[in-house]
Amino acid sequence: GESVGLHLPTLSVQEGDNSIINCAYSNSASDYFIWYKQESGKGPQFIIDIRSNMDKRQGQRVTVLLNKTVKHLSLQIAATQPGDSAVYFCAERAGGSYIPTFGRGTSLIVHP
Amino acid sequence: GAGVSQSPSNKVTEKGKDVELRCDPISGHTALYWYRQRLGQGLEFLIYFQGNSAPDKSGLPSDRFSAERTGESVSTLTIQRTQQEDSAVYLCASSQGSLETQYFGPGTRLLVL
Repeated sequence: GESVGLHLPTLSVQEGDNSIINCAYSNSASDYFIWYKQESGKGPQFIIDIRSNMDKRQGQRVTVLLNKTVKHLSLQIAATQPGDSAVYFCAERAGGSYIPTFGRGTSLIVHP
Repeated sequence: GAGVSQSPSNKVTEKGKDVELRCDPISGHTALYWYRQRLGQGLEFLIYFQGNSAPDKSGLPSDRFSAERTGESVSTLTIQRTQQEDSAVYLCASSQGSLETQYFGPGTRLLVL
């Protein structure tokens, strides 16, 4: 069936570095993509989203890139801080569907 | 305003007992979702409410699971005759409309002994 997955389960970076978290999706009907951050013991927190009519969207210190040709999504975090340490989930939603499909998540560890 | 709240934050129960988990969505959000998250896993969809009706119950894993929503607000997820495999974090999310961004609560950590 259709799925959303992550290339790297764990990413370790030094404070101040830029981080890139990748996500592959397989449902060509997906037209809406979301990144969530989940800190230990908390629920997922919305970070940024992007629709399929865009290939890049920027937020505060975060950028999401969408490559529909290869069905790839990435989250870039600039100047990573220890407070960015968390599990990051990508999710995709097909047109007209109200239920997103979540990947397993990537654990980002930021070393001071 | 206040975010999504869930109670209890933690629940330990014995196998075979029934449990009720509560979700208070963001005020004015018409859509409400329940998910289950096992340790180290992604989110597993359970059920979706639009208003007080549940057009999609497809994710409920068995007939031991049920949910209701009243007053287009509070929702309760009930697990009857709990089993050890029910141990997980149960997350609730709400959104302004069914295709809008979902905002999550902190979850209820359920442990079935």
